[in-house]
Amino acid sequence: DVKVTQSSRYLVKRTGEKVFLECVQDMDHENMFWYRQDPGLGLRLIYFSYDVKMKEKGDIPEGYSVSREKKERFSLILESASTNQTSMYLCASSFEAGVLHEQFFGPGTRLTVL
Amino acid sequence: AQKVTQAQTEISVVEKEDVTLDCVYETRDTTYYLFWYKQPPSGELVFLIRRNSFDEQNEISGRYSWNFQKSTSSFNFTITASQVVDSAVYFCALSGPRGSTLGRLYFGRGTQLTVWP
Repeated sequence: DVKVTQSSRYLVKRTGEKVFLECVQDMDHENMFWYRQDPGLGLRLIYFSYDVKMKEKGDIPEGYSVSREKKERFSLILESASTNQTSMYLCASSFEAGVLHEQFFGPGTRLTVL
Repeated sequence: AQKVTQAQTEISVVEKEDVTLDCVYETRDTTYYLFWYKQPPSGELVFLIRRNSFDEQNEISGRYSWNFQKSTSSFNFTITASQVVDSAVYFCALSGPRGSTLGRLYFGRGTQLTVWP
């Protein structure tokens, strides 16, 4: 079974801190994604990556950066956390083979910025 | 641009009732994929189904069924004889536009389904 793991289920940080959210997948997927989920807004794409060291902005990249140094790991970085970044963060991965495959999701990290 | 609309924000039913979750999409592509995901209270999204635009056959999987109609750009999801364990947020999603980076999905805002015992 595909497994996508995220480093923390719950995280509390202070305004201005640098925050790292880690995501690891074990199925050799090419594509990896970071979303945030807020009540009433559904899933909004922050960044995605289709290969090592490759990244593309999603719909709401402001205030975030990402890193993909290894195929299995995709990190989301909040350079200077702000209270409006309090949210549920979801990581996902998918296989790339010319046909669109479903995304597999991690359990999510609920981040609170105080 | 791709767009997915789930007009039902919340639905409540009593156990054993049938319930249909609506999904309407917009795309200019002739080839695309549609998905449904379930997000139980634990938080992890679970993949339910993927459909490509060339396959309009309805699909049934146990108590779940999906009705894909290109003429109305809809991909509705029906749960028959609902159970308390079906309580979750359900998301409909659409693949990215042709020529874009592969793999991206566009999600609707989700429908919160509550099944009461």
